[in-house]
Amino acid sequence: EAGVTQFPSHSVIEKGQTVTLRCDPISGHDNLYWYRRVMGKEIKFLLHFVKESKQDESGMPNNRFLAERTGGTYSTLKVQPAELEDSGVYFCASSQGTGSGEKLFFGSGTQLSVL
Amino acid sequence: RKEVEQDPGPFNVPEGATVAFNCTYSNSASQSFFWYRQDCRKEPKLLMSVYSSGNEDGRFTAQLNRASQYISLLIRDSKLSDSATYLCVVNTYTGNQFYFGTGTSLTVIP
Repeated sequence: EAGVTQFPSHSVIEKGQTVTLRCDPISGHDNLYWYRRVMGKEIKFLLHFVKESKQDESGMPNNRFLAERTGGTYSTLKVQPAELEDSGVYFCASSQGTGSGEKLFFGSGTQLSVL
Repeated sequence: RKEVEQDPGPFNVPEGATVAFNCTYSNSASQSFFWYRQDCRKEPKLLMSVYSSGNEDGRFTAQLNRASQYISLLIRDSKLSDSATYLCVVNTYTGNQFYFGTGTSLTVIP
């Protein structure tokens, strides 16, 4: 069974440009999460989809970040325009449902460098 | 106050040693607890869930103390391959939200 996949694995862009990250969750997983890790800091929550709906987007830094999950399948996270402080590793994770002991499965992440 | 706090380490231990990590969480309504392992430049991977009665998986033992709101991970007979960052993760069912500690860095030395 395929795991969570993310694309691209690395992206280097200049300040002011636009970048779109993609995440394909494990098939059948209703929950999809985006996280970001800045070097030396803890993994921070960005937002959570349940199927195609945004359950919680309280972690989104500002309106330069836009996440979508078309048809409840894959998700995209667009940063426009990118700023230097957006650099970090963006992880996507998915889980199956909302029951007790739900486990998160992570993608390998997208390393974003804004120059 | 952070939702989950961990001692970042680093812990440098010789092969064969026993090492323990602790983690505290602030939300008493937290329901699920996990230890994840993250290798350098890789994604976090589930090491083990933590159950109320404590649980063991080979050389790894996890314990939960709800009264004091802390979780522990004990690694016995450390191997070189255990070198990684260990993340404490707590889930609150409200919104099915997961919170991460900063991770504890472990290096096992030959």
